[in-house]
This record gives sequence, C-alpha cells and structure tokens, in this order.
Amino acid sequence: ETGVTQTPRHLVMGMTNKKSLKCEQHLGHNAMYWYKQSAKKPLELMFVYSLEERVENNSVPSRFSPECPNSSHLFLHLHTLQPEDSALYLCASSLHGTGLSTEAFFGQGTRLTVV
Amino acid sequence: QKEVEQNSGPLSVPEGAIASLNCTYSDRGSQSFFWYRQYSGKSPELIMSIYSNGDKEDGRFTAQLNKASQYVSLLIRDSQPSDSATYLCAVTDAGNMLTFGGGTRLMVKP
Repeated sequence: ETGVTQTPRHLVMGMTNKKSLKCEQHLGHNAMYWYKQSAKKPLELMFVYSLEERVENNSVPSRFSPECPNSSHLFLHLHTLQPEDSALYLCASSLHGTGLSTEAFFGQGTRLTVV
Repeated sequence: QKEVEQNSGPLSVPEGAIASLNCTYSDRGSQSFFWYRQYSGKSPELIMSIYSNGDKEDGRFTAQLNKASQYVSLLIRDSQPSDSATYLCAVTDAGNMLTFGGGTRLMVKP
C-alpha cells in the first residue's frame, strides 16, 4: 500500500462511453501525474499537476481530459476512446519544492479496455 | 526535451550473479535519481534513491551516480529469480519534474 489509491482497478468501456478514472492521495504531496503504459511499452507521461495547476501536457489527445480539484485528488475523464487507448493507466504523486525531490509513489493502476 | 535512456534488454543473468543496470540522462541540472522495479501487470515500486555522486548500498542493491558522466546505475548482488522484473530509472530536474526511462527487463535464470 503506497498511499495512492486508484479506482476503478479494471474498466471496460465502449468507444461511445464516457467514464472517469480517479486517483486519491493523502501523503501531503503537491504534485500528481497520469501515466499511460501500453503492453510492452515504456511509461508515457500524460499530465502533470503541481499545486493543482497543470504544468505539462504531452500532446495527449483531447479525448483524455484531466481534472485536479485539489491537491489530494486527480481525475482522468475519458470520452470517445479508441481501442488503441487500451492500457494500464497509472497515477503517481510526489512532493515538489526547492531542493531535493522526494520519490514518486504510484497507485495500483486502472487496467482499461476499450471495445 | 529531457531524456532518460535505458537499454530495454532483456538482460539475462544466472541466479547468484551480479546484475548491472545502466541509465543515462540528458539534463545536467538533474538533482534526484530513482530506481523503480515493476513486475508485469503491476505498478512501479521504488527500490533506491540517490542524490549525490558515489555509491549507495541497501541490502543486495547498490545505486551508483556519476553526475559528470550523467549516468546512474543499479547493481543487484546475488540475483534471485524473484528479481526478474523491469527496472525503471527516473530523474528529476531542477524544477523537480520527474522523467522516466523506458526500463530494462531483467531475467534471472535459476
């Protein structure tokens, strides 16, 4: 248990559906990340929020929409996804600030299948 | 574009041997360095962090950092089959933004 909780753990959705992934941490961290990991591929950074402001968006398609209402919660809203979006979606959090960084802790991930 | 490079492997070592995993990074301003282990279908878990040049040992694991050459390595002594996983190198920049390498798959054969 890392202190970062993702729900749901598994999700199957049709291409016309709208769903949301949720991530929650109570570690006192001020940065949260969404990563995508497709089969046999490296981690792809999707979004970074620091102090609830989006600081990075790595050319992610608009069918993925993040939301960070406060420093403890992060959502990824999904709509009209494609089968190639099927992957493991990982949330992580860390402490940003001056000086040395603390490590990032990952949630267990949401295994998404788009049919 | 900040980059963190790792050989994807697989790196195959016999049980009991030393496994050596390497990582290079492009940003000279990088400050913090981490090694994560990821089993298939699971999320990455932190196994080592290192912040200054030299070696840092924790049990069978030793992290080595050389900022002048911009590389960080992980040595696993007395490798066990349970060490078989993908090892991810991660680096933070001066702004504490985290960048991951692609990972090296390690296979420890009994």
